[in-house]
Amino acid sequence: NAGVTQTPKFRVLKTGQSMTLLCAQDMNHEYMYWYRQDPGMGLRLIHYSVGEGTTAKGEVPDGYNVSRLKKQNFLLGLESAAPSQTSVYFCASRMEGRETQYFGPGTRLLVL
Amino acid sequence: DQQVKQNSPSLSVQEGRISILNCDYTNSMFDYFLWYKKYPAEGPTFLISISSIKDKNEDGRFTVFLNKSAKHLSLHIVPSQPGDSAVYFCAVILGNQFYFGTGTSLTVIP
Repeated sequence: NAGVTQTPKFRVLKTGQSMTLLCAQDMNHEYMYWYRQDPGMGLRLIHYSVGEGTTAKGEVPDGYNVSRLKKQNFLLGLESAAPSQTSVYFCASRMEGRETQYFGPGTRLLVL
Repeated sequence: DQQVKQNSPSLSVQEGRISILNCDYTNSMFDYFLWYKKYPAEGPTFLISISSIKDKNEDGRFTVFLNKSAKHLSLHIVPSQPGDSAVYFCAVILGNQFYFGTGTSLTVIP
């Protein structure tokens, strides 16, 4: 039982490049979330999903897209990376009806 | 505009003493409040929570207090241990969305 895993752990991009961050959970949770953490800003919600095939915008969705084609996976895409997207990205999942989120270990992204 | 504020970026406490971490929120519609703990290079882990219908919840050394009239949440750790040194985030839930504070870095001095 791995919980929530994130791939990759670290990535360096050049401005304008694209990439996809993968989040996988093996707890059969309905809800999944993508956050970014920046110094002095706490965690801010980018997008979330309440079930397979659904997505919704969070606080800071601009510049990101997401997809939830399978219940266990939640993908975060950057179509054209910008230096402002340099951050640590965390994925989380939770069971419907429960308040506790379980977080992955994070992906550190550097955009040059 | 920030929904949740943690005004103390850092806190240092002697081992064995009480640690008190504070959190203020703006929206009286929030119905659930949580505290998360985060070690460097790891994801946050859930610590303790409280529903808006309660004013106190206790779990071992950790107690969370909710003052709805003041829109204030606090986490008490007694006694503090060196392993408690971490960043603590308060969070609130509204619908399906979570809003996190900016975090307080707690250092427990042996």
